[in-house]
Amino acid sequence: DIQMTQSPSSLSASVGDRVTIPCRASQRISTYLNWYQQKPGKAPNLLIYASSSLQSGVPSRFSGSGSGTDFTLTISSLQPEDFATYYCQQSYSIPWTFGQGTKVEIK
Amino acid sequence: QVHLVESGGGVVQPGRSLRLSCAASGFTFSRFGMHWIRQTPAKGLEWVTVISHDGSNKYYADSVKGRFTISRDNSKNTLYLQMDSLRTEDTAIYYCARVSMGTYYPFDYWGQGILVTVSS
Repeated sequence: DIQMTQSPSSLSASVGDRVTIPCRASQRISTYLNWYQQKPGKAPNLLIYASSSLQSGVPSRFSGSGSGTDFTLTISSLQPEDFATYYCQQSYSIPWTFGQGTKVEIK
Repeated sequence: QVHLVESGGGVVQPGRSLRLSCAASGFTFSRFGMHWIRQTPAKGLEWVTVISHDGSNKYYADSVKGRFTISRDNSKNTLYLQMDSLRTEDTAIYYCARVSMGTYYPFDYWGQGILVTVSS
């Protein structure tokens, strides 16, 4: 199975900050990498697919990059509604696997 | 708009069975593959199983293989998860999710989730 590693598990930031969230795959997955945002009590919501493609309806302050084993989710200017947990997920091979998540907290 | 609604969760004893349903609306259900994904505080998000649009292909996580069965009824726009021989470690919130069209297979729509608790 492909292991997805997200570190740190949490980070503190202020409104307006540029935030980067890393994700690493245990083997090369090309650009088969997706990002989700989850708020408490809600289902995950797709933000980015294929490493860098913005899902319809998602604000343009979210962007993704990377290929192979190292990926990054960037929030260009953090907004109050962005405080949440972010998960990366590989869709390169079965079983699909998720990272453990990075919680973005208010500084 | 796309809508997925899970039902059938609850409290069940170890070794017993439970069947989850996921009612789909707002899209042509028979054209999309569908997944079940579960979440616990300890293990996070865990993919469980997938079924192709026509039901001809199914894959399972090793942790549920031989105990869980995914199926669908395209005439009723409904996805199912039959869970047998339940274990305490199957306790989780279960989500159904649609797999997007195209090459990269992200989960583009999720249900609200349903809690399954396996406890004596």
